[in-house]
Amino acid sequence: EIVMTQSPATLSVSPGERATLSCRASQSISSSVAWYQQKPGQAPKFVIYGASTRAPGIPARFSGSGSGTEFTLTISSLQSEDFAVYYCQQYNYWPWTFGQGTKVEIK
Amino acid sequence: EVQLVESGGGLVQPGGSLRLSCAASGSTFSSSWMHWVRQAPGKGLVWVSRINSDGSSRTYADFVKGRFTISRDNAKNTLSLQMNSLTAEDTALYYCGRDLTGSVVDSWGQGTLVTVSS
Repeated sequence: EIVMTQSPATLSVSPGERATLSCRASQSISSSVAWYQQKPGQAPKFVIYGASTRAPGIPARFSGSGSGTEFTLTISSLQSEDFAVYYCQQYNYWPWTFGQGTKVEIK
Repeated sequence: EVQLVESGGGLVQPGGSLRLSCAASGSTFSSSWMHWVRQAPGKGLVWVSRINSDGSSRTYADFVKGRFTISRDNAKNTLSLQMNSLTAEDTALYYCGRDLTGSVVDSWGQGTLVTVSS
């Protein structure tokens, strides 16, 4: 099973600042990574797939990068609606696995 | 836009069974893979199972193999998860999700809560 490790667990950022979230896979998974956003009491929302392709309707301030084992989600200028928990997920191998999440909170 | 509505959750005793359902609206159900993903209270997301568009292929997480069965009825736009031999570790909010590309859950339901407790 592929282990996805996210860092940091919590990221404190001021509105308007950049947030950089990391995700590491225990072995190479090509570019088979998705990112999801989850707000309290809500279902997850699909943000990025293929490591760098934004889902329909996702603002351009969200960008993804990486391949192999190292992946990054960057939010260029945090808006109030972006404060949430973000999960990475690999779909290169079964079973699909998620990271443990990074909480982006207001500083 | 697809809408997914889960049902069937509730309180069940250890060793018991429960059947979850997910009703899908829209025309994409029969051409989509479907997944179940769960989230224990205060914890992260855990993938449980998936079924391909015609139901001929199913995949499970190791921790549910032999206990859970995923199925679908494309005529009724319904996804199901039969859960047997439940333990306290199965307590979670269970989400169903649509997958149009075989790579991501692009639409999610709101979840149904399963609580396993005596």
